[in-house]
Amino acid sequence: AQKVTQAQTEISVVEKEDVTLDCVYETRDTTYYLFWYKQPPSGELVFLIRRNSFDEQNEISGRYSWNFQKSTSSFNFTITASQVVDSAVYFCALSEAYTGRRALTFGSGTRLQVQP
Amino acid sequence: DSGVTQTPKHLITATGQRVTLRCSPRSGDLSVYWYQQSLDQGLQFLIQYYNGEERAKGNILERFSAQQFPDLHSELNLSSLELGDSALYFCASSVGIENEKLFFGSGTQLSVL
Repeated sequence: AQKVTQAQTEISVVEKEDVTLDCVYETRDTTYYLFWYKQPPSGELVFLIRRNSFDEQNEISGRYSWNFQKSTSSFNFTITASQVVDSAVYFCALSEAYTGRRALTFGSGTRLQVQP
Repeated sequence: DSGVTQTPKHLITATGQRVTLRCSPRSGDLSVYWYQQSLDQGLQFLIQYYNGEERAKGNILERFSAQQFPDLHSELNLSSLELGDSALYFCASSVGIENEKLFFGSGTQLSVL
């Protein structure tokens, strides 16, 4: 069955610290897509990244980076030199291309608090 | 601003009542999705429409229904409301049918008293 696990419920760091948010997924499909979304205090969900299962290259976008490892079914998200504006709930999500759900299945989210 | 518009932003109603939530997708997007976010269930997929047709169904209760109109806006109808239906309801849109990057609206906060 399709499942996304974000074991870290809440993380608190001090500004400028690096922080990694973990995401572990389960799927029976060989073709699937992984996503990260950010939900700031304003409430709207903001898209951060989409990665398909055939592209295991890590990606960096500014202070954000993502590490995709099929061998461990993980798609972790690292924020370097965190800032107060990074405080939000971060969701990892999965969609399957063939056998399962094509709409996004979300993890339970990780609340990140960045203290000044 | 994602370009997805949801109205109303807040809705307070009583048990047993019926409400309608409205969503206008981004210009050019043909797919509309509805999600429910609650503290105990997290973000749950309810239903997807593509160009007016129902495309996929998730954990949507029989008391809930949705439709997508020819102008591509969508409505989510919730009836016989219960206390447990209190949640944040999101609409999202995408260009295509599946595995797409979704653009979310700001949500409708429903409170059932």
